[in-house]
Amino acid sequence: AQSVTQPDIHITVSEGASLELRCNYSYGATPYLFWYVQSPGQGLQLLLKYFSGDTLVQGIKGFEAEFKRSQSSFNLRKPSVHWSDAAEYFCAVGPRTFSSNTGKLIFGQGTTLQVKP
Amino acid sequence: DTAVSQTPKYLVTQMGNDKSIKCEQNLGHDTMYWYKQDSKKFLKIMFSYNNKELIINETVPNRFSPKSPDKAHLNLHINSLELGDSAVYFCASTPRPGSSYNEQFFGPGTRLTVL
Repeated sequence: AQSVTQPDIHITVSEGASLELRCNYSYGATPYLFWYVQSPGQGLQLLLKYFSGDTLVQGIKGFEAEFKRSQSSFNLRKPSVHWSDAAEYFCAVGPRTFSSNTGKLIFGQGTTLQVKP
Repeated sequence: DTAVSQTPKYLVTQMGNDKSIKCEQNLGHDTMYWYKQDSKKFLKIMFSYNNKELIINETVPNRFSPKSPDKAHLNLHINSLELGDSAVYFCASTPRPGSSYNEQFFGPGTRLTVL
């Protein structure tokens, strides 16, 4: 079955500390991979995505993520967290091939990031 | 210049009523989606239309009926609203499934509260 797991429901870090949010997936083949952020009361904004090539991808707001095929993981990192990063973070996967592709994204359950001053 | 817009942003209604949520995208995308985010923030796809044709219909009660008058619009009509329909509903769009750029662009959401 296709699924995305974000093991950490809630994470609290101090401002200026580093951050890593975990994401593991189960999928028939290597999917497209995404991280979205949802600020309180807002829609989802794409942070970064992986399609192919370099397994370390850079995104907006200083975020990066590393795709590890052997571990079926796509963890999100930031070297120094800012108070404005407090939000809900969603990992998602989608299919690559058009034949089976309806563009359906499967989301993880989200990780709530709290930033302490 | 909003890319994906939804109306209304908030919707409070009584059980048993019928309501609609509208979505419009001005990105020229072919495909649009409806997602439901429950109280635990879990996001699940409900429907998808590609060029006005239904391509995804997850296990959703038939009280929910999507309508796509053209490829820039995807509306969601809900009949006989129930308490469990309370959620945030997100519309999204993507250029074309299977393209190299499968990114979905999300609207701001509609918070539906059924009393």
